[in-house]
Amino acid sequence: EPEVTQTPSHQVTQMGQEVILRCVPISNHLYFYWYRQILGQKVEFLVSFYNNEISEKSEIFDDQFSVERPDGSNFTLKIRSTKLEDSAMYFCASSILAGSYNEQFFGPGTRLTVL
Amino acid sequence: SQKIEQNSEALNIQEGKTATLTCNYTNYSPAYLQWYRQDPGRGPVFLLLIRENEKEKRKERLKVTFDTTLKQSLFHITASQPADSATYLCALDVASSASKIIFGSGTRLSIRP
Repeated sequence: EPEVTQTPSHQVTQMGQEVILRCVPISNHLYFYWYRQILGQKVEFLVSFYNNEISEKSEIFDDQFSVERPDGSNFTLKIRSTKLEDSAMYFCASSILAGSYNEQFFGPGTRLTVL
Repeated sequence: SQKIEQNSEALNIQEGKTATLTCNYTNYSPAYLQWYRQDPGRGPVFLLLIRENEKEKRKERLKVTFDTTLKQSLFHITASQPADSATYLCALDVASSASKIIFGSGTRLSIRP
């Protein structure tokens, strides 16, 4: 069964460093998403991406964040200058069509630890 | 302000009973509402989607209702099993583009044998 994959599973970085989190969505899906979940808290929407551009973004997704689909398979989230409060689990998801009326498939997540 | 509330942080029930979880929302008008399961350290897994013009949806032992007047969805697991123990999340759409989905904080369900 096709699945969303994410790398790395765990990333440790120093505050102020740039990190890139990688995702490979399911191949025939058109919508891609990033969410984050701080330990013990709820899953928070960051951004949705369709047709090579951002479709929606949340207040969390400020200028420190960017997303890219550099080739036909990868979908990346970049955090330019990490802060302690960026420590969280980051989930990538994809769906065939817009996620509100379609099942979203989530990856296993990348745990980001900022020291 | 806009809110999604899952009004039980934790629910503990006996195996075999029906678990009922609640999702309430305010100041949203979702066209769709979804339920997901999340196990510790894992990503959410889609369970069911219900549209605003549907009152009820079923899938095996799962049943979801959606009352747009009460602004509430109920999620039922019948004949519950210890393997159903997980956190259950409701999610709804909040933008006309249908690609911004907001999750509730979840209800942690424990089924004791």
